[in-house]
Amino acid sequence: GAVVSQHPSRVICKSGTSVKIECRSLDFQATTMFWYRQFPKKSLMLMATSNEGSKATYEQGVEKDKFLINHASLTLSTLTVTSAHPEDSSFYICSAPDPNQETQYFGPGTRLLVL
Amino acid sequence: AQSVTQPDIHITVSEGASLELRCNYSYGATPYLFWYVQSPGQGLQLLLKYFSGDTLVQGIKGFEAEFKRSQSSFNLRKPSVHWSDAAEYFCAVGPNNAGNMLTFGGGTRLMVKP
Repeated sequence: GAVVSQHPSRVICKSGTSVKIECRSLDFQATTMFWYRQFPKKSLMLMATSNEGSKATYEQGVEKDKFLINHASLTLSTLTVTSAHPEDSSFYICSAPDPNQETQYFGPGTRLLVL
Repeated sequence: AQSVTQPDIHITVSEGASLELRCNYSYGATPYLFWYVQSPGQGLQLLLKYFSGDTLVQGIKGFEAEFKRSQSSFNLRKPSVHWSDAAEYFCAVGPNNAGNMLTFGGGTRLMVKP
């Protein structure tokens, strides 16, 4: 079964609105989670590292004010796309390392469509 | 800067045929290399990984990969493809064994002919 869940699985919103995506680790705690973005027919690109209890670390070129990350608890990280535009439409995937740091569990992804 | 190249965007093979998916990487430190498979509606699943030791690594579902430092390659192979192997395959490199902060290749979409 899935060890990392994401909600919602897909969302459609209007331009200018904000959308929150949740990433949850099931049955284990994750002090760190990772957010990736996958463009259609493209690869995954690391956006940021979500850190429980502290600020997220963003990759170069990722707007931190646009993509707000909050690691609210040891099992939940949220990504909020603020003032969404059509170019933010994408597939967003989160991951979390298992407690033994031996592997990475990926969520099933959230497809965002901004009209 | 690190990078991963998967030269083949699409590959079609017949069921039962052998498969090789190419992956080349550029990484400034000791590379931790991974192959993941992505099926629709499911999260990325780890097939195998390598960071040291025997350069031929075995993974799940009958996959294996060979690390060749001289060629900066980490090609994925399977001797006999099954229809259920049709999916998107990603090669990735990262700074540790856990697979944190990965840099992914562009992916190769595998189609399997009956």
